[in-house]
Amino acid sequence: DAGVTQSPTHLIKTRGQHVTLRCSPISGHKSVSWYQQVLGQGPQFIFQYYEKEERGRGNFPDRFSARQFPNYSSELNVNALLLGDSALYLCASSLEVGRYGYTFGSGTRLTVV
Amino acid sequence: EDQVTQSPEALRLQEGESSSLNCSYTVSGLRGLFWYRQDPGKGPEFLFTLYSAGEEKEKERLKATLTKKESFLHITAPKPEDSATYLCAVDNNNDMRFGAGTRLTVKP
Repeated sequence: DAGVTQSPTHLIKTRGQHVTLRCSPISGHKSVSWYQQVLGQGPQFIFQYYEKEERGRGNFPDRFSARQFPNYSSELNVNALLLGDSALYLCASSLEVGRYGYTFGSGTRLTVV
Repeated sequence: EDQVTQSPEALRLQEGESSSLNCSYTVSGLRGLFWYRQDPGKGPEFLFTLYSAGEEKEKERLKATLTKKESFLHITAPKPEDSATYLCAVDNNNDMRFGAGTRLTVKP
């Protein structure tokens, strides 16, 4: 069975540009969450979506947005990129919100120069 | 404010030398405590979920326990392939809050 797939795996962008990251959850999983992980730190919660609706949002600026599609895949968009946005962006899926554990993808490594 | 603190930040063990990793937490409504393993450049790999104080779970050389304020990940007779960063997280109302992790190195 395919796990959580994320694309692209690596990305280099220039400061001020826009980026779109994509995530396909495990088949049957209806919840998708996005996390940002800076080197040496634990993942920081950005968004959670369940059944195409936003269920939670972390402490990130409005430059960050996301959506979930009818097939439960998801996109994370970041506008006006800053050097500090350089990080590993992780997507996690679960059957429902909470309790059942989250399966993570391998992430997208974003470098802003 | 909800907080998750892991200690130590880094741990170096000899192969076969058992030890424990600590995760202390303060949350207003714990819905679950999670342990993950993360290898460099990869996403976290799910290990355990604990829901209530007194609960224990085991998987190979790993055993996780939970109290009302902290969780321990016990590693018995570790092998070099156990080297990784171990992350603890709490699920509190749709927000999974992670600690900074413990970087474990097991020398042969």
